[in-house]
Amino acid sequence: ILNVEQSPQSLHVQEGDSTNFTCSFPSSNFYALHWYRWETAKSPEALFVMTLNGDEKKKGRISATLNTKEGYSYLYIKGSQPEDSATYLCASPRGYNKLIFGAGTRLAVHP
Amino acid sequence: DSGVTQTPKHLITATGQRVTLRCSPRSGDLSVYWYQQSLDQGLQFLIQYYNGEERAKGNILERFSAQQFPDLHSELNLSSLELGDSALYFCASSVDPGTTEAFFGQGTRLTVV
Repeated sequence: ILNVEQSPQSLHVQEGDSTNFTCSFPSSNFYALHWYRWETAKSPEALFVMTLNGDEKKKGRISATLNTKEGYSYLYIKGSQPEDSATYLCASPRGYNKLIFGAGTRLAVHP
Repeated sequence: DSGVTQTPKHLITATGQRVTLRCSPRSGDLSVYWYQQSLDQGLQFLIQYYNGEERAKGNILERFSAQQFPDLHSELNLSSLELGDSALYFCASSVDPGTTEAFFGQGTRLTVV
């Protein structure tokens, strides 16, 4: 894989559902994997930065895992709430400096 | 408040003109990134500076240029503007390029008419 790719492109879930999305990135010359949350009319805000294979991070109901050998990361949201509705972006530095973002997964949580 | 300040928030200008977007990074952050978000597109990486030096370039047009000054603020210059340059331009800063989280400014909405 040459670029940062995210799937699915969009997701609609009901309040209380748990959900997850995927970020795929080039596994060669890996430095770090970032996850950001981007609410409409706001700026992206960092959720996690992970650097080690097998890393797991958690913030409230949101958690993320990292597999650097196969080049993927999962973001999980447990018990989704309407306020979780946002676009979730992942990013990976290329050549240590170029922080390249995926196209994002747009999550809509319906009451 | 992320601590990253972008000015102006909105800019409307005519085709063929030149504009300058300004970014003040968070105190202590040496790395500054510029991104462009066009309609229904994701964040496109333009350019990155670290402590005054250009470190990485993305798909930045030749009509666009940037610099980071000794006080670490950065400016993105867009010239010979075209309708297609209308977009939201974000600046972000971080302590370490790549391995620490980036903090984003509120963006500058550029409209070319």
